[in-house]
Amino acid sequence: DTEVTQTPKHLVMGMTNKKSLKCEQHMGHRAMYWYKQKAKKPPELMFVYSYEKLSINESVPSRFSPECPNSSLLNLHLHALQPEDSALYLCASSQAYGTGYGYTFGSGTRLTVV
Amino acid sequence: RKEVEQDPGPFNVPEGATVAFNCTYSNSASQSFFWYRQDCRKEPKLLMSVYSSGNEDGRFTAQLNRASQYISLLIRDSKLSDSATYLCVVNTNAGKSTFGDGTTLTVKP
Repeated sequence: DTEVTQTPKHLVMGMTNKKSLKCEQHMGHRAMYWYKQKAKKPPELMFVYSYEKLSINESVPSRFSPECPNSSLLNLHLHALQPEDSALYLCASSQAYGTGYGYTFGSGTRLTVV
Repeated sequence: RKEVEQDPGPFNVPEGATVAFNCTYSNSASQSFFWYRQDCRKEPKLLMSVYSSGNEDGRFTAQLNRASQYISLLIRDSKLSDSATYLCVVNTNAGKSTFGDGTTLTVKP
């Protein structure tokens, strides 16, 4: 299994809703990431989990809350989002957090906040 | 100045052409380098890691020039299916990844 699976693929939510994005990988990768990507821009790092511990939070607003229940799963809990948070949210994994490892990305969740 | 800079293009080339993209980086502590391709409305996919000695995978060749702090990607015999955005990614020795803004390639019949 060489995939990162993300659900849902599309999500429309109101500004008062609470929703969660899910990500799963079974490659034994020990680092997992959340990225946000706006149209015609590169992915922007949000969070890094290394060995199930939050290693990096790129000053992301608290309305985004990550969770890593185990080494295969990564969630992103969303609450009270703004329309400008509409974007493609990408999960990625790599063998470990470090210099020499490329990422495997999931296909993303396309989020629209109304 | 951006940490990683790419020519945004677009590059419009005919099928069969050879095309090259460059990517410059500013952090001399950068340790590892990658090229990803991203199709429209899809996720980035790892195309190649870039090694100091240069490396080739079929029609694709990647080069690294540490002295001048740039990496390149050469695509020979372009196919229609090569049309995509090519993202350069540079990792520091602390593991931080920085993405370039991407170079758009369109291969035309």
